[in-house]
Amino acid sequence: AQTVTQSQPEMSVQEAETVTLSCTYDTSESDYYLFWYKQPPSRQMILVIRQEAYKQQNATENRFSVNFQKAAKSFSLKISDSQLGDAAMYFCAYRSGQGAQKLVFGQGTRLTINP
Amino acid sequence: SQTIHQWPATLVQPVGSPLSLECTVEGTSNPNLYWYRQAAGRGLQLLFYSVGIGQISSEVPQNLSASRPQDRQFILSSKKLLLSDSGFYLCAWRVGLAPDTQYFGPGTRLTVL
Repeated sequence: AQTVTQSQPEMSVQEAETVTLSCTYDTSESDYYLFWYKQPPSRQMILVIRQEAYKQQNATENRFSVNFQKAAKSFSLKISDSQLGDAAMYFCAYRSGQGAQKLVFGQGTRLTINP
Repeated sequence: SQTIHQWPATLVQPVGSPLSLECTVEGTSNPNLYWYRQAAGRGLQLLFYSVGIGQISSEVPQNLSASRPQDRQFILSSKKLLLSDSGFYLCAWRVGLAPDTQYFGPGTRLTVL
């Protein structure tokens, strides 16, 4: 079974600076997708960024980018120019490219932005 | 555009009482639907998923059940709630076309006393 590990329960960063959240996963599959979701205090899960495993190029969405290291099974999220609204729980998630394609989540990292 | 609704938003129920949480999706057809639970301070765990009307797959044995009576309606139920059923319940949907991503509803906070 696939597993996702987020080794940083909490992180903090100064406003306008850059922070990187770590995620590793374990799988024997070659076809899969990786996601970062944000959960603000409202608790709704919001998609931040996604990465297809077959793509070598790292995904980027405005201030958010990933460092996808397929051989190392690592999928870190970099947030540039951190803003107060970035404060939230961040979850890394894995999804198989086969079957019903359920998401497997890590335990989350709580990100605090210091003004 | 697609929208997903969940209700109620908050629920407090006594142990042993029944449960019914509803999720509906608008603006899409034949979605895959998912129920997740998030215990306090933890990540999400998949409970059930459905690829079509009447088709339910259970991921973990538990006190809950799910049903999909209509294409865009997904219901989570229990006949008798346990204290351990407390948590935040999230419904998600996905259509198997690009961008092929699961999108989540606003969630229901369930407290069993």
